[in-house]
Amino acid sequence: DAGVTQSPTHLIKTRGQHVTLRCSPISGHKSVSWYQQVLGQGPQFIFQYYEKEERGRGNFPDRFSARQFPNYSSELNVNALLLGDSALYLCASSPYNPGSPLHFGNGTRLTVT
Amino acid sequence: AQSVTQLGSHVSVSEGALVLLRCNYSSSVPPYLFWYVQYPNQGLQLLLKYTSAATLVKGINGFEAEFKKSETSFHLTKPSAHMSDAAEYFCAVSPPGNTDKLIFGTGTRLQVFP
Repeated sequence: DAGVTQSPTHLIKTRGQHVTLRCSPISGHKSVSWYQQVLGQGPQFIFQYYEKEERGRGNFPDRFSARQFPNYSSELNVNALLLGDSALYLCASSPYNPGSPLHFGNGTRLTVT
Repeated sequence: AQSVTQLGSHVSVSEGALVLLRCNYSSSVPPYLFWYVQYPNQGLQLLLKYTSAATLVKGINGFEAEFKKSETSFHLTKPSAHMSDAAEYFCAVSPPGNTDKLIFGTGTRLQVFP
C-alpha cells in the first residue's frame, strides 16, 4: 500500500504570497494531521481533520487554514507568507483509533524569501 | 498541559556501543508516549509506542524503551549501535484521547562512529 503522499516536495515563495500544500492519506485512514517542523526543532501540531471536520488546532495564526475532502485528502493553506513560515510541513494520517500511531509523509519543504 | 524534554541535542557513540537517548515527560493524565526517527530529507518513522500496556516496549531495528512513571521517563535504548542508526530521534507525548495530536521534544541527533 502507498504511504502518505505530499505535494509538492519543495516550494519557494516570496513574502506576502499564498501557498497550498496537499496530502493524500494512507488508504483507509480518515484522520489527517498537519505539523510544521522548523529547522533544528521538533514538529509542531497545526491541525487535525477527521471526517472532514476540524478536530484540533495548534497555536498558529489565522493565516493558516486547512480542509479535508470527501476522499480524505487534505490541503493546508497559508496566506500572507512570512519569512518565519519557512519550514518542513509534514502531513500524517491515522485510522483515529486510540493508540494507533500517526504515519507521516516525507513533507513539503517551504522556503519563503 | 503536556510536554516532553529530550536531554542532549547531540549524542555520539561508536559502532557496537550502547545507545541511550533520554526523554522525560510531563502530563497530568496517563500519557501515550512515542519515539520517532527521522532520516535526512524524510518524514518521521515510528520506532515504538507506549499505550499503558507493558512498561518495556520493543520497537523496530532493535530499539526498546521503558516507561518509568516514578521518574516520568521514557528513555530509548539499543544494545549495539549500527552505522545506519545515525539519524534524528524524537520523543513525543499525547493524551490518551487523541493520539493524532502529538507534542514533540526538540530531538536528539545520533552520530555513530566506526
